[in-house]
Amino acid sequence: DIQMTQSPSSLSASVGDRVTITCRASQGIYNYLAWYQHKPGKVPKLLIYAASTLQSGVPSRFSGSGSGTDFALTIDGLQPEDVATYYCQRYNNAPAWTFGQGTKVEIK
Amino acid sequence: QVYLVQSGAEVKKPGASVNVSCKASGYSFTGYYLHWVRQAPGQGLEWMGWLNPNSGDTNLAQNFQGRVTVTRDTSINAAYMELSRLTSDDTAVYYCARSGSLVVGYYHHDAFDVWGQGTMVTVSS
Repeated sequence: DIQMTQSPSSLSASVGDRVTITCRASQGIYNYLAWYQHKPGKVPKLLIYAASTLQSGVPSRFSGSGSGTDFALTIDGLQPEDVATYYCQRYNNAPAWTFGQGTKVEIK
Repeated sequence: QVYLVQSGAEVKKPGASVNVSCKASGYSFTGYYLHWVRQAPGQGLEWMGWLNPNSGDTNLAQNFQGRVTVTRDTSINAAYMELSRLTSDDTAVYYCARSGSLVVGYYHHDAFDVWGQGTMVTVSS
């Protein structure tokens, strides 16, 4: 089965910083990758799909890149409301969908 | 507006079963796959399986095969996830989520664009 590995597992950054989270697939998945934001007590929210397509309503400071096995989520100008855990997810080659282990983002 | 509304919190004893419902509104229930995802306390998101509401076909992650049954009732636009032989490790928030609405160019992208509010299942003796 295809495994998804995120790094780092957690990070602390200042408001306004540029933050990058990476996600690596154990096999090529083309661009069938999504990123979600999950705040405690809330429902996961889709940020990006097709590796780089911003979901409607998501602030433009979020961006995604990559294809094949290596992907990244960038927050350009971290805001206090961005404190959350971020997950990548692959969804190619059904029947399985797989999440990364998550990256917890905090404000310094 | 598209909604997935789940049933309320449950407390169950070890060995029992739990049934979580997910009721769809605002879109064609049979037109999109529904998935089940869970998050145990302090853990990440774990995909459990999908349901094709049109055909009733399902596919479950290996970890849940033999213990999870996913069904639907198209007359009321609802899906159900039954988890049997509960243990304390099954204590988690369970979510349903929709896929199939996202298209880029000629390609469908089956990320989860709509989520239910989550159902807390607590397994305790």
